[in-house]
Amino acid sequence: SQELEQSPQSLIVQEGKNLTINCTSSKTLYGLYWYKQKYGEGLIFLMMLQKGGEEKSHEKITAKLDEKKQQSSLHITASQPSHAGIYLCGADDQGGSEKLVFGKGMKLTVNP
Amino acid sequence: EPEVTQTPSHQVTQMGQEVILRCVPISNHLYFYWYRQILGQKVEFLVSFYNNEISEKSEIFDDQFSVERPDGSNFTLKIRSTKLEDSAMYFCASRGFRNQPQHFGDGTRLSIL
Repeated sequence: SQELEQSPQSLIVQEGKNLTINCTSSKTLYGLYWYKQKYGEGLIFLMMLQKGGEEKSHEKITAKLDEKKQQSSLHITASQPSHAGIYLCGADDQGGSEKLVFGKGMKLTVNP
Repeated sequence: EPEVTQTPSHQVTQMGQEVILRCVPISNHLYFYWYRQILGQKVEFLVSFYNNEISEKSEIFDDQFSVERPDGSNFTLKIRSTKLEDSAMYFCASRGFRNQPQHFGDGTRLSIL
């Protein structure tokens, strides 16, 4: 089945810095979802990408889907302490399955 | 904004006991899911439910697990005889249509003693 690899595994940045998280799939990506999770809490939906080359932005977060590379990136501009948490990428599994498969997550710390 | 709600937030149970985790999906959503996350590991799919029946389940979802939508609002996950390895965070999710994102609840932390 599909595997998602996220990099880096963790990141510590100073407030105001830009950063990028990557999510690489072992198979063709049909739908890619970004979620944010605070420790011990639920997954908050951020963005959904469904087409190669698609790019979406919400506030200071931009996500892109590179179909050829089977990869998605999440970019945060001018990071703030409120951006801290665990960022998970999830993807529709193959063959019309309804389930999402997830990466292991990227823990972001933003120091004021 | 509508959200998925889960109760209880934390459940502590003796091994071998039955446990029921409850979820209220977003109103008007049609697809319902359970996932779990063992501490330090990935979020894993358990089961999907549509039109009052299981549409897909993972290898984890064996005979000890069952799901039910007893009325128009609740969606439950039952574990019949809990094992130590069932200790995990259990997430309920729902979505309106197949091409829409899944929205997750805050989870129930299940601790088996």
